[in-house]
Amino acid sequence: SAVISQKPSRDICQRGTSLTIQCQVDSQVTMMFWYRQQPGQSLTLIATANQGSEATYESGFVIDKFPISRPNLTFSTLTVSNMSPEDSSIYLCSVEDPDRGRVGYTFGSGTRLTVV
Amino acid sequence: GEDVEQSLFLSVREGDSSVINCTYTDSSSTYLYWYKQEPGAGLQLLTYIFSNMDMKQDQRLTVLLNKKDKHLSLRIADTQTGDSAIYFCAESIDTGGFKTIFGAGTRLFVKA
Repeated sequence: SAVISQKPSRDICQRGTSLTIQCQVDSQVTMMFWYRQQPGQSLTLIATANQGSEATYESGFVIDKFPISRPNLTFSTLTVSNMSPEDSSIYLCSVEDPDRGRVGYTFGSGTRLTVV
Repeated sequence: GEDVEQSLFLSVREGDSSVINCTYTDSSSTYLYWYKQEPGAGLQLLTYIFSNMDMKQDQRLTVLLNKKDKHLSLRIADTQTGDSAIYFCAESIDTGGFKTIFGAGTRLFVKA
């Protein structure tokens, strides 16, 4: 199955700054997903990123706050902009595994973000 | 609406069976999944079941699906301390494109 490398694994950031999270996949995938996992809560989908098109954002998430790049079929970035303590979460990227199709998704190990 | 619910905690003794339960609301589910998340790690797909199946067994794991009651369970036989983790139930629904909805996760504690 696909292997995802996600960086950084954790960071502590100052309020008002931005952090860019990178997600690298070892195989070409059409769709990449960005999730947020707030403490003690479920995963919430932020957006879906397809190569060559604008990301599709879920309700409650906007491009100005969470800009996403998808320059090729193996890489994506998510930026958390103008951070506040409420943005403290684990951010995970995920792909539809090319070997399994829709039968399960592969996740990166996550980025644990703390905003102070 | 789209909702997946599961209990937050489960504690079992090593060697016993664990049963983690999940209910979902959307009847258009195609696949239902169980993911495992160990501390500091991402989610690992444990097993899945297609919505037209009732049961799936994979070594120590047994998944039961009651589609009428929209109830999914994961049974782990001979639970080991290494099974301590958070287990997420998830459903894949067709909204024009496919969307995956996750439960809040059940934290399994295995006592030696």
